[in-house]
Amino acid sequence: TQLLEQSPQFLSIQEGENLTVYCNSSSVFSSLQWYRQEPGEGPVLLVTVVTGGEVKKLKRLTFQFGDARKDSSLHITAAQPGDTGLYLCAGDHRYQGGKLIFGQGTELSVKP
Amino acid sequence: DTEVTQTPKHLVMGMTNKKSLKCEQHMGHRAMYWYKQKAKKPPELMFVYSYEKLSINESVPSRFSPECPNSSLLNLHLHALQPEDSALYLCASSQEFDPELNYGYTFGSGTRLTVV
Repeated sequence: TQLLEQSPQFLSIQEGENLTVYCNSSSVFSSLQWYRQEPGEGPVLLVTVVTGGEVKKLKRLTFQFGDARKDSSLHITAAQPGDTGLYLCAGDHRYQGGKLIFGQGTELSVKP
Repeated sequence: DTEVTQTPKHLVMGMTNKKSLKCEQHMGHRAMYWYKQKAKKPPELMFVYSYEKLSINESVPSRFSPECPNSSLLNLHLHALQPEDSALYLCASSQEFDPELNYGYTFGSGTRLTVV
């Protein structure tokens, strides 16, 4: 059973389009983190959301944490080829011994 | 210094070889982690060290042996690996290992391991 369901798993769009990636769970998380990973590199932390209902912006990226702290979304406005990569949501789940649990990832390809 | 440094970047080893992966951070983080990642999949936790002590071993086979010589260094000793162990091995660190404190992880670039 996947604790964090991430969707879609693959996304191929044209430059300038908007997109949203979802991360859902039936469990409550103390926080959710979003990472971006490029081929041959490790994941890079983009943001941590902690408070239910919280919205954080990072340039063209908007992150939201659900009110019940069970889900999160990442919205990218006017995607660019440089946004291409694997996007991973991850959560600290207290009942998993504090381990960071990853979603399956979303492979994003932005074509010029 | 805000990086986690992993060496080597690439490693090819035979099934009878013994090798070690190294990880170093100078951010004063007290938690360090080893993850294994297969292509197009999320990282899978292998080991957690907190304050230089092994906190979590995710039922990893004994052919993988972690070591934390001090608060800045983490090693992964490899012996008698199988071809299916070929993967990207990632080291990460965080300020503390505590889900209530919501610390983000800093990952290294990984070691691409191929077992032949």
